[in-house]
Amino acid sequence: GQQLNQSPQSMFIQEGEDVSMNCTSSSIFNTWLWYKQDPGEGPVLLIALYKAGELTSNGRLTAQFGITRKDSFLNISASIPSDVGIYFCAGPSLGGNNRLAFGKGNQVVVIP
Amino acid sequence: IAGITQAPTSQILAAGRRMTLRCTQDMRHNAMYWYRQDLGLGLRLIHYSNTAGTTGKGEVPDGYSVSRANTDDFPLTLASAVPSQTSVYFCASSDQGTGEQFFGPGTRLTVL
Repeated sequence: GQQLNQSPQSMFIQEGEDVSMNCTSSSIFNTWLWYKQDPGEGPVLLIALYKAGELTSNGRLTAQFGITRKDSFLNISASIPSDVGIYFCAGPSLGGNNRLAFGKGNQVVVIP
Repeated sequence: IAGITQAPTSQILAAGRRMTLRCTQDMRHNAMYWYRQDLGLGLRLIHYSNTAGTTGKGEVPDGYSVSRANTDDFPLTLASAVPSQTSVYFCASSDQGTGEQFFGPGTRLTVL
């Protein structure tokens, strides 16, 4: 079945450091979405990518749609304590019907 | 209200009882979704609806039912709750044009 693999599963970083995470797919995507989930809350959409090679920023966040269309990268620059949370990648499910496939998430912990 | 609301925020339920989780959105999105989130398993789709009057099964539909009488509301019913349905439940909606899904704050359900 369709799989989205996120690595690493968890990261402990010092405040002020940059952090990068990636997501790979077993199938080609035409959309990549990155979400963040704060503890005790629902996922919030951070960045949406619609074109292979696209590089998009949202404040200190930068995401890229891989040229193979099977991967995407998210970078957080100059991390701060509120960056703590789980970061999910998502893309259109092979099942169609406007469904998304989600990765299992990267847990980010920022150490002050 | 703005966005998606879910009720209740949390609930403790005896096994065998019937429970309905409520979800309402005010964005006039056509599509709505119910997910459960469990540690190590990520977000799993339970049921979805592409438009009012239609519903479909996701990855883990057994033990759950949904209805979509109108655009705004998408309740999820557990006819006879079992302990394995202990989870955090998220409702989401999307505009079919973009595929981006927007999530509610979640309902934490414990079945004893």
